[in-house]
Amino acid sequence: SQQGEEDPQALSIQEGENATMNCSYKTSINNLQWYRQNSGRGLVHLILIRSNEREKHSGRLRVTLDTSKKSSSLLITASRAADTASYFCATDPYTGANSKLTFGKGITLSVRP
Amino acid sequence: DGGITQSPKYLFRKEGQNVTLSCEQNLNHDAMYWYRQDPGQGLRLIYYSQIVNDFQKGDIAEGYSVSREKKESFPLTVTSAQKNPTAFYLCASSIYASGNQPQHFGDGTRLSIL
Repeated sequence: SQQGEEDPQALSIQEGENATMNCSYKTSINNLQWYRQNSGRGLVHLILIRSNEREKHSGRLRVTLDTSKKSSSLLITASRAADTASYFCATDPYTGANSKLTFGKGITLSVRP
Repeated sequence: DGGITQSPKYLFRKEGQNVTLSCEQNLNHDAMYWYRQDPGQGLRLIYYSQIVNDFQKGDIAEGYSVSREKKESFPLTVTSAQKNPTAFYLCASSIYASGNQPQHFGDGTRLSIL
């Protein structure tokens, strides 16, 4: 079953603008991960945020996690045409040992040059 | 360079035929995974393996089979029992099988029906 749900489903912005994508989930989690997928390629891991963390940065990426609202956001600052891709959140539900990631349906980001 | 190699990139299946998708990793990871991706959908887990000679069903294992005889290899067979096999198949690995580990993905195999 898919726990994470991204919002919006599609986003189109101009190069240089910031892109904000959201992920909501239903049950308690150990951590949440964000991945990027370029068209026709595999997923690339971007960032992992643990349930006891509120914010993490990696280059132009900023991820926040609000466990009380069961939501996370991914912010890409100063977007570039190369950021055009689908972005997925993946949750690690708190079910005990050997938990597995559950992926959302993804957000399609288009960055116009 | 370390990574995951999936082959072939494109595969066509005839009715009643079994086909095998290859997945090889040189990352020395214990855990490997197979996902199915349909258009506009997220990834759904087919099978995963925590260690050599072990594998477990994921959410949509019916019509698929796997083996894990070597640490670096985790082939997926799409059997004739899988009635709707057209999809993009992704293989992934992680250091060990846990949701707190990043997964590394191959570039996928696109399977179509002839």
